[in-house]
Amino acid sequence: DAGVIQSPRHEVTEMGQEVTLRCKPISGHNSLFWYRQTMMRGLELLIYFNNNVPIDDSGMPEDRFSAKMPNASFSTLKIQPSEPRDSAVYFCASLRERHEQFFGPGTRLTVL
Amino acid sequence: GDSVTQMEGPVTLSEEAFLTINCTYTATGYPSLFWYVQYPGEGLQLLLKATKADDKGSNKGFEATYRKETTSFHLEKGSVQVSDSAVYFCALSPRSAGKSTFGDGTTLTVKP
Repeated sequence: DAGVIQSPRHEVTEMGQEVTLRCKPISGHNSLFWYRQTMMRGLELLIYFNNNVPIDDSGMPEDRFSAKMPNASFSTLKIQPSEPRDSAVYFCASLRERHEQFFGPGTRLTVL
Repeated sequence: GDSVTQMEGPVTLSEEAFLTINCTYTATGYPSLFWYVQYPGEGLQLLLKATKADDKGSNKGFEATYRKETTSFHLEKGSVQVSDSAVYFCALSPRSAGKSTFGDGTTLTVKP
């Protein structure tokens, strides 16, 4: 298995632009998680899905952030409009019930 | 709610020194416990896990024992190497489907 796949690996954009991050979970995993990691705030859970349904989005910072999971093999995290304080590494992770999470390599986002 | 408390870092050791990183948790029921490791520029990856009381997880010379009586899962290694320099996260996952709870991470630097 290729593991969790994230794209792009690096994204540099200007303030106000829309950013879309993509994730392909491991086949057969029924839960998917989006995290954000910064030096100041550490690792933060933004949202997670179970069987493609959003279960807890309490970590989504504000309405500028949205996430979708249209099917079991794909999810997106969108920021519109982006701001410099959104600069971080965004990780996607998936798991099979009652097992460990598998993390993707992350997307390093820089908003200028 | 569930919580994980890790020993604060950073931790700096000399090569071949003994390592302990403390982790305690609060959870309802009987969660599974994990240690993840994050090398620079990479996502988190599972280091070891334990799924029930008194289980010992081990990998790459690292060990941790699930202690229900003290609600702890301390990470140990008898002789660290420079290549062990990384950030270590303690985490728990409930038995039922749900989000995992991560500690804040402990940065380990091993000097030659």
